[in-house]
Amino acid sequence: EADIYQTPRYLVIGTGKKITLECSQTMGHDKMYWYQQDPGMELHLIHYSYGVNSTEKGDLSSESTVSRIRTEHFPLTLESARPSHTSQYLCASSGRGKGYTFGSGTRLTVV
Amino acid sequence: KQEVTQIPAALSVPEGENLVLNCSFTDSAIYNLQWFRQDPGKGLTSLLLIQSSQREQTSGRLNASLDKSSGRSTLYIAASQPGDSATYLCAVGSVNTGANNLFFGTGTRLTVIP
Repeated sequence: EADIYQTPRYLVIGTGKKITLECSQTMGHDKMYWYQQDPGMELHLIHYSYGVNSTEKGDLSSESTVSRIRTEHFPLTLESARPSHTSQYLCASSGRGKGYTFGSGTRLTVV
Repeated sequence: KQEVTQIPAALSVPEGENLVLNCSFTDSAIYNLQWFRQDPGKGLTSLLLIQSSQREQTSGRLNASLDKSSGRSTLYIAASQPGDSATYLCAVGSVNTGANNLFFGTGTRLTVIP
């Protein structure tokens, strides 16, 4: 079944490390998104892409960066992780008239 | 800017009861409206998607309605079960916005008591 996949599911990493959160979808969706969500709080859009080589910043300022070299792949990178980056990161994609499909999320803890 | 509100913020019901969750939005120019469920620490699971031209959608024990003119949607859950306990989010795909056109409600935390 077509779906959207995020890895890793959980990540604990030390301050200053570079990390990449992976997101892939098999639905052929052009649009992809990254959201950040703290426990019990609302979702905030941090990055989105409308297609290959298209990336934009979302409503919430983030020190992370993204790339979209292939339609199905939308990784998020933190060059130097800090404790303030501790959060859950949710990837989503959408197709024309299809609504949004979310991944299971990556829970990041920076110690 | 589109604003989406969900009432109530939290709801606790005994198992077997039918219930209604409410969602309201300020701008009726929408593409669609989507209901999600989120379990603690997990991602969002899509429950129902209603296009702007539709009035309702049904899936199993769930029925979602859309009244675009009044800016309202309801999610009806029949014969609630403890497994329905989760946070339910309403999200509106809005037309009159920039590239980010999905606006989430504040969520309703549902607890179904066995």
